[in-house]
Amino acid sequence: AQSVTQPDIHITVSEGASLELRCNYSYGATPYLFWYVQSPGQGLQLLLKYFSGDTLVQGIKGFEAEFKRSQSSFNLRKPSVHWSDAAEYFCAVGPMEYGNKLVFGAGTILRVKS
Amino acid sequence: DTGVSQNPRHKITKRGQNVTFRCDPISEHNRLYWYRQTLGQGPEFLTYFQNEAQLEKSRLLSDRFSAERPKGSFSTLEIQRTEQGDSAMYLCASSSRDGQYNEQFFGPGTRLTVL
Repeated sequence: AQSVTQPDIHITVSEGASLELRCNYSYGATPYLFWYVQSPGQGLQLLLKYFSGDTLVQGIKGFEAEFKRSQSSFNLRKPSVHWSDAAEYFCAVGPMEYGNKLVFGAGTILRVKS
Repeated sequence: DTGVSQNPRHKITKRGQNVTFRCDPISEHNRLYWYRQTLGQGPEFLTYFQNEAQLEKSRLLSDRFSAERPKGSFSTLEIQRTEQGDSAMYLCASSSRDGQYNEQFFGPGTRLTVL
């Protein structure tokens, strides 16, 4: 069965500090991988996605993620966190077939302290 | 293009009542998805449409739930005889066929509270 695990429910970092959010997946084949961010009252916004090729992908807002096949992981990183990054972050997997459903992790709530 | 819109944004109802939500996708997006998100969880897939055809339904979509997309544009999700367990955020997303994979654009959601 397809599943996504985000081990950290909450993470608190200081503004300006680096960030890493963990994501592990279980999938029968090579999936497409995504990170979304959700702010209160807002819809999910795509930060970045991995389909193939370079395992380090760059996204919006200064985020990047690294795909590690051997560890079934797709961790999200940012070198310097801003207070506006406080939100909930979701990792998701999708099949390589066109346009099918996404399977999401339970999310990680990021708090930024000044 | 104003993105995916959903109405209403909030709905409070009493157990046993019927409710209907609407989703307007990004224009010309031919795929439309419904997800449900409960507190502390990520979104869970409910169903999706390609144009007006409903192509897949999750086992989460009990017979009290029905979704339609009659003209391949907006979609409605109806819940009959609501139960307290139906309380959740209902998210809609749309995508278009453009390349190998299509990003799903999400709306702000409809938050349902069943008393």
